[in-house]
Amino acid sequence: DQQVKQNSPSLSVQEGRISILNCDYTNSMFDYFLWYKKYPAEGPTFLISISSIKDKNEDGRFTVFLNKSAKHLSLHIVPSQPGDSAVYFCAASASGSARQLTFGSGTQLTVLP
Amino acid sequence: ETGVTQTPRHLVMGMTNKKSLKCEQHLGHNAMYWYKQSAKKPLELMFVYNFKEQTENNSVPSRFSPECPNSSHLFLHLHTLQPEDSALYLCASRGQAYGYTFGSGTRLTVV
Repeated sequence: DQQVKQNSPSLSVQEGRISILNCDYTNSMFDYFLWYKKYPAEGPTFLISISSIKDKNEDGRFTVFLNKSAKHLSLHIVPSQPGDSAVYFCAASASGSARQLTFGSGTQLTVLP
Repeated sequence: ETGVTQTPRHLVMGMTNKKSLKCEQHLGHNAMYWYKQSAKKPLELMFVYNFKEQTENNSVPSRFSPECPNSSHLFLHLHTLQPEDSALYLCASRGQAYGYTFGSGTRLTVV
């Protein structure tokens, strides 16, 4: 049973527009959430994170929103750039789990020039 | 370069071969992980090591055998694999913070 779900395997967005990537989770013990970005032939790299005590965290063009009641988080990229084209993984961790991360299946974002 | 180095980057092996994947980090991290990434699937946790001790084996078949001789090195020994084991194998390490640092992975093809 997948505890972290990314229901959209792919997303295409025009350059300059907003990209919204979604993630749902089922484990109410998760209290820390991260987004990773992965280019082909490379390992995932950390992008942005959010603690459950917040509902928003912003870093430049990237903003993560957390809705704890809905067990939902989203990553907003604005404006989207062609270099943002990659697979984005959502991950979650519970404080009692030795900070082990549970990953979603990823969303392939394609930003069209 | 992330600080976590995996070798080889690509590996093709027959089902009767024995090979090993290597992961090395000099970030001072105490936890190391092996993940398997198959197409369109979540990253699957295979093994966890904390301070060189294996703390989790996520129901991985015995044809995969990890080894952690010290906190900087992690190996994954492979023998009699199946074609369905073909995947990207990722190593990661973690320090005090929540985030993992991943290596670039080994693309394994079993023929």
